[in-house]
Amino acid sequence: EPEVTQTPSHQVTQMGQEVILRCVPISNHLYFYWYRQILGQKVEFLVSFYNNEISEKSEIFDDQFSVERPDGSNFTLKIRSTKLEDSAMYFCASLEDSGNTIYFGEGSWLTVV
Amino acid sequence: AQSVTQPDIHITVSEGASLELRCNYSYGATPYLFWYVQSPGQGLQLLLKYFSGDTLVQGIKGFEAEFKRSQSSFNLRKPSVHWSDAAEYFCAFRYNQGGKLIFGQGTELSVKP
Repeated sequence: EPEVTQTPSHQVTQMGQEVILRCVPISNHLYFYWYRQILGQKVEFLVSFYNNEISEKSEIFDDQFSVERPDGSNFTLKIRSTKLEDSAMYFCASLEDSGNTIYFGEGSWLTVV
Repeated sequence: AQSVTQPDIHITVSEGASLELRCNYSYGATPYLFWYVQSPGQGLQLLLKYFSGDTLVQGIKGFEAEFKRSQSSFNLRKPSVHWSDAAEYFCAFRYNQGGKLIFGQGTELSVKP
C-alpha cells in the first residue's frame, strides 16, 4: 500500500538552528499537510498546501515556519530559528484530489536543546 | 468554532471486556469523521471513517463506530479488547474537501490482564 514517508525520523538540534523536515507524499495526492504533536498532547494542524500554495495555516504557523514543494515528490517544512517549544513530533500527511482519507507519515521527532 | 471532544482522557479495561470510546463534534452539518490510533512513539493509523450512508461503520482490528447525528457523536467500540489495543485513540473530523483534520484530545487506553 502506498505510504507517506518522512525523514529524518528523529533530529536533535540546538536552539536557534534551522531545521528542515522532509516528506514524500503519496504519488497521486494533491493536498499536503503538516501537523505537530507536542509530547502528551493532541495533534495540531499547522498548514495545508494545494496547487503549489498554502491553502490554510494555523496561528502556530508563524513567520519562523515555511513550506515548500521543491520538486514533484518532496514536501518540506522549514523551521528557521528553532525554540525549545518547537520540540514535538511533526507529521506530514496527504490526500488525493477526489479522496476523503488523509494519510499520515510515521512522523519526525524534533528535539530542540 | 468547530471542535472535537473526547471526554475520557484515560480509560482502563480488562482484556476481553468491551470498550466504548466517546467522541462528540461541534459542527453545523455532517462532517467526515475518523478514528485514528497511535502506539507510543509511532504515527497515526486510520482505524475507520464515516462519510455518509450506513451509520455503523466497520474498521480494522475489530473496531466499529456509530455515527449519531442527533447527538453529534461518533463513538468507537470493540466487543472484546486485546492487550495489543493499548494505545492512544484520536477522533477527528473535517468538513470540506481538502480541509484540515481537527483532532480531539485523545483517549489513552490501558488494558489490564
